Amino acid sequence: KAGVTQTPRYLIKTRGQQVTLSCSPISGHRSVSWYQQTPGQGLQFLFEYFSETQRNKGNFPGRFSGRQFSNSRSEMNVSTLELGDSALYLCASSWDGHNQPQHFGDGTRLSIL
Amino acid sequence: DAKTTQPPSMDCAEGRAANLPCNHSTISGNEYVYWYRQIHSQGPQYIIHGLKNNETNEMASLIITEDRKSSTLILPHATLRDTAVYYCIVRFHTIGGGSNYKLTFGKGTLLTVNP
Repeated sequence: KAGVTQTPRYLIKTRGQQVTLSCSPISGHRSVSWYQQTPGQGLQFLFEYFSETQRNKGNFPGRFSGRQFSNSRSEMNVSTLELGDSALYLCASSWDGHNQPQHFGDGTRLSIL
Repeated sequence: DAKTTQPPSMDCAEGRAANLPCNHSTISGNEYVYWYRQIHSQGPQYIIHGLKNNETNEMASLIITEDRKSSTLILPHATLRDTAVYYCIVRFHTIGGGSNYKLTFGKGTLLTVNP
């Protein structure tokens, strides 16, 4: 069974640009969550999608947004990039987002110059 | 979710058992203990989870004390590839409602397996 796939693996952008990251969950999983990981803050929850709806959201500014498609694939968008957005962005999927383990992809490493 | 306390780092000799402790003294009745690990430059990998009984799978064993205030993850025969940061997470399981959508990661334990 294929795992969670995130593309691209690496990305370099400059301040002010926007970026879109993609996540394909494990087949059959309907919940997709996004996390940001930085050396200083560790892993922080961004948002969770289930059946094309954002179900939960963490404490991030509105520049961070996402969506989920009918096949459960998800995208995350960050607009007006700032230096502090440099991080590893991780996607995790689970069957329903509740009492099941979340399985992570290997992330997208975003660097802002 | 309840907080957990883990040692920042541990060493283990290759081929020996690695025993990683975790304290979760404020755990409540329907909170499960989850373990993940993160190898450098990869995403966190789910290892195992349990409520109160000991659990074992192909990767590891989880021993939870009777009062559920602490647990130990056991890697029976550590290899160099087990070098990683190990996270102990307490997460409640919903019963008829509520949401436990997110995992709250602490700083974890850096396990270094030495040849």
